Amino acid sequence: VQLVQTGAEVKKAGESLKIPCQASGYTFDTYWIGWVRQKPGKGLEWMGIIFPRDSDTRYSPSFQGQVTISVDRSITTAYLQWTTLKASDTAIYYCTRLNDSNAFDFWAQGTMVTVSS
Amino acid sequence: QSALTQPASVSGSLGQTITISCTGTSNDVGGYNYISWYQQPPGKAPKLVIFEVSDRASGIPSRFSGSKSGNTASLTISGLQAEDEADYFCCSYTSSNIWVFGGGTKLTVL
Repeated sequence: VQLVQTGAEVKKAGESLKIPCQASGYTFDTYWIGWVRQKPGKGLEWMGIIFPRDSDTRYSPSFQGQVTISVDRSITTAYLQWTTLKASDTAIYYCTRLNDSNAFDFWAQGTMVTVSS
Repeated sequence: QSALTQPASVSGSLGQTITISCTGTSNDVGGYNYISWYQQPPGKAPKLVIFEVSDRASGIPSRFSGSKSGNTASLTISGLQAEDEADYFCCSYTSSNIWVFGGGTKLTVL
């Protein structure tokens, strides 16, 4: 099992962004993929999760309406998207797989998103 | 959904035993056995340590154990080793069909 993310993105406030998480080594359709935010020097924040087979998606109330989670099954890739970035979105974003025991068993290395104002 | 409550920091000497608590409510920790713990060394991605309250993930030594009583889950590390120094986060499934993390605990090995 492998989850791979791009290393870093540098954007300006007001711009849009879509970061990928490419999955391999398992049946992509049958495991939920989650997204987790970690601001500099802070803890983990659960953002949301998607089931690739039918795109069933759930969001934390803190992130509902702020981001969009999606998948492209043809290339086994999940996405986290912003339409209007803010400086407060500066953080590392991790994608992670939810296993059959409702635990996040595999994690990508994270994408560092830096938004300048 | 509020974050689960963990102590900001704990410390212990080499070989000692420490316990990290994770307190929630009946809508998360107290209501489900889908409690997991993650270890995050500085500058690295989190790593699953414990799932379903007390089951160790693959490759995790038996020094790590988990438990739950009421609305509080706990991670215990016995025989502390230098490589255990890291941040630890608990996570719980919730009645809103989403997940929530704890605020994290920095473990220092003296």
